[in-house]
Amino acid sequence: GAGVSQSPRYKVAKRGQDVALRCDPISGHVSLFWYQQALGQGPEFLTYFQNEAQLDKSGLPSDRFFAERPEGSVSTLKIQRTQQEDSAVYLCASSLGDRERDEQYFGPGTRLTVT
Amino acid sequence: AQSVAQPEDQVNVAEGNPLTVKCTYSVSGNPYLFWYVQYPNRGLQFLLKYITGDNLVKGSYGFEAEFNKSQTSFHLKKPSALVSDSALYFCAVRDPYLGNTPLVFGKGTRLSVIA
Repeated sequence: GAGVSQSPRYKVAKRGQDVALRCDPISGHVSLFWYQQALGQGPEFLTYFQNEAQLDKSGLPSDRFFAERPEGSVSTLKIQRTQQEDSAVYLCASSLGDRERDEQYFGPGTRLTVT
Repeated sequence: AQSVAQPEDQVNVAEGNPLTVKCTYSVSGNPYLFWYVQYPNRGLQFLLKYITGDNLVKGSYGFEAEFNKSQTSFHLKKPSALVSDSALYFCAVRDPYLGNTPLVFGKGTRLSVIA
């Protein structure tokens, strides 16, 4: 079966531009997470959805970051007025249920470079 | 607060030798612990997890990990390393008493297996 897919795989944006990053989770997966991975670091949490409900957005670094999952499947992470410090790999992960013991399955990530 | 430490940035091992990648954690209660592997330009792949029960957990690709509550450790091991095991390894923790929270990752350990 298909895994988690993300698009685009690479994105170069000029400072100040808006970007939209897409995540297609594994079909039927209830939970969806977004993480940000800076170079040489582990992933850091951004936001969490259970179906279409955004239950936790405490990791979003500023109000320029916005995420949605309107139909409980595909999710989009939007960054407005990009800054150089937004350059990172953005990882999406999904898990089958909403239990804490469920492992997360990760997509390949979108590498965002802000120039 | 939950945290994970991976004390080694880099581990080098000869092919055929046993390997260990170290991880220690901090949570308020009993932890759920996970290991992931990341190959270049790819997302994180799930290796194994400890939830409860037997302290020795077996996972994918011949890897195993031992949960040690007294030492708050969850070291990843493999009896005989392969060159193809060379990758970035991440340990992650979740406090189950907090519910379906995001994973908290360590900084990662780069494993190099030399032929």
